Amino acid sequence: AQTVTQSQPEMSVQEAETVTLSCTYDTSENNYYLFWYKQPPSRQMILVIRQEAYKQQNATENRFSVNFQKAAKSFSLKISDSQLGDTAMYFCAFGGATNKLIFGTGTLLAVQP
Amino acid sequence: KAGVTQTPRYLIKTRGQQVTLSCSPISGHRSVSWYQQTPGQGLQFLFEYFSETQRNKGNFPGRFSGRQFSNSRSEMNVSTLELGDSALYLCASSPVSTGGYGYTFGSGTRLTVV
Repeated sequence: AQTVTQSQPEMSVQEAETVTLSCTYDTSENNYYLFWYKQPPSRQMILVIRQEAYKQQNATENRFSVNFQKAAKSFSLKISDSQLGDTAMYFCAFGGATNKLIFGTGTLLAVQP
Repeated sequence: KAGVTQTPRYLIKTRGQQVTLSCSPISGHRSVSWYQQTPGQGLQFLFEYFSETQRNKGNFPGRFSGRQFSNSRSEMNVSTLELGDSALYLCASSPVSTGGYGYTFGSGTRLTVV
């Protein structure tokens, strides 16, 4: 069975600085996808970034980028130039052959002014 | 383009009652998945429907059921409510039923069982 682990329950960063959120996973599948979702106080989960396991190139979306280490089963999220609006719970998720995502327990990120 | 719409936003029910939650996916999305989110258990997969058929089911008791209509709208039903069913129920839609696309989530229904 797949598992997703986020070892940082809470993190804090100053506005305009860079922060990295950690995620590790375990799977025996070879083809899979990894995601980072953001859940602000409004409750709606928003897809931040997506990585296909067969792609060696790390995904980037504006200020958000990932460090995908397939052999180590690590998938960290880097947020550059942090903004107050980045304050949210961040979830790492694993998607395999089916449409059932396995989520980590989340990291609460607070961006301080 | 309208997002995923969940109704109602908030619900308070008494133990033993039943409840029905509704989800309208993004137009053109045929897959609808449901998740339960609690502080203790995190996000747990309930089930997925695709083209009116249940494709996947999580590890929840039979009190939790769902269905999908021909217009892709989905409902989730919980019978004989227990205090432990209090949670945020999230619906997510996707155009396909494979794991690679990712979801678009709704804002959830906050269910409180008293």
